[in-house]
Amino acid sequence: ETGVTQTPRHLVMGMTNKKSLKCEQHLGHNAMYWYKQSAKKPLELMFVYSLEERVENNSVPSRFSPECPNSSHLFLHLHTLQPEDSALYLCASSQDGTSGGLEQFFGPGTRLTVL
Amino acid sequence: GENVEQHPSTLSVQEGDSAVIKCTYSDSASNYFPWYKQELGKGPQLIIDIRSNVGEKKDQRIAVTLNKTAKHFSLHITETQPEDSAVYFCAASYNAGNMLTFGGGTRLMVKP
Repeated sequence: ETGVTQTPRHLVMGMTNKKSLKCEQHLGHNAMYWYKQSAKKPLELMFVYSLEERVENNSVPSRFSPECPNSSHLFLHLHTLQPEDSALYLCASSQDGTSGGLEQFFGPGTRLTVL
Repeated sequence: GENVEQHPSTLSVQEGDSAVIKCTYSDSASNYFPWYKQELGKGPQLIIDIRSNVGEKKDQRIAVTLNKTAKHFSLHITETQPEDSAVYFCAASYNAGNMLTFGGGTRLMVKP
């Protein structure tokens, strides 16, 4: 595997379900990100982890819970979602900005549908 | 916080013509401006970026210009080809590049 991978690629869940999205980067980076991409809004940054510590939480509802167990893996735990949470969830990674290498590399995304 | 506006939202050009996409930003402290291309079913991919100490940068058929005074930057694609058809996003960030604020995107269609 190369680059940034995300699983699953598609997910349909009910409002009472609990599911998790997984992201893995094979680039040796030390910063990882979750973005939400919906039809009518720009890419929205949700969470940033740098050196496995969360450094940004852009007022995301608590029904989204991130986890970064190590610098290569990032999870987004989902519970009691709403239909308006249906979107493409993108993971990205980069070198921590303070040490250079600003480019963010994106995975293909997980298309989430909440019924 | 930073706010990035992108225009137009859709752009249709004939193959071989040039395409220009413009973005404005609000935070004068922003100093890093990347452009991403997103093809159907894929995540965004960086195509070119520029830092605030440079006014213009070119890479083959793609160029980006930056006007710090007016707080706007533009993507120029020359000799467009059908494979340039995609959604293009501009973004801006301050200092480290970790916190990117994206524009709304431009859907570019290149007609053969």
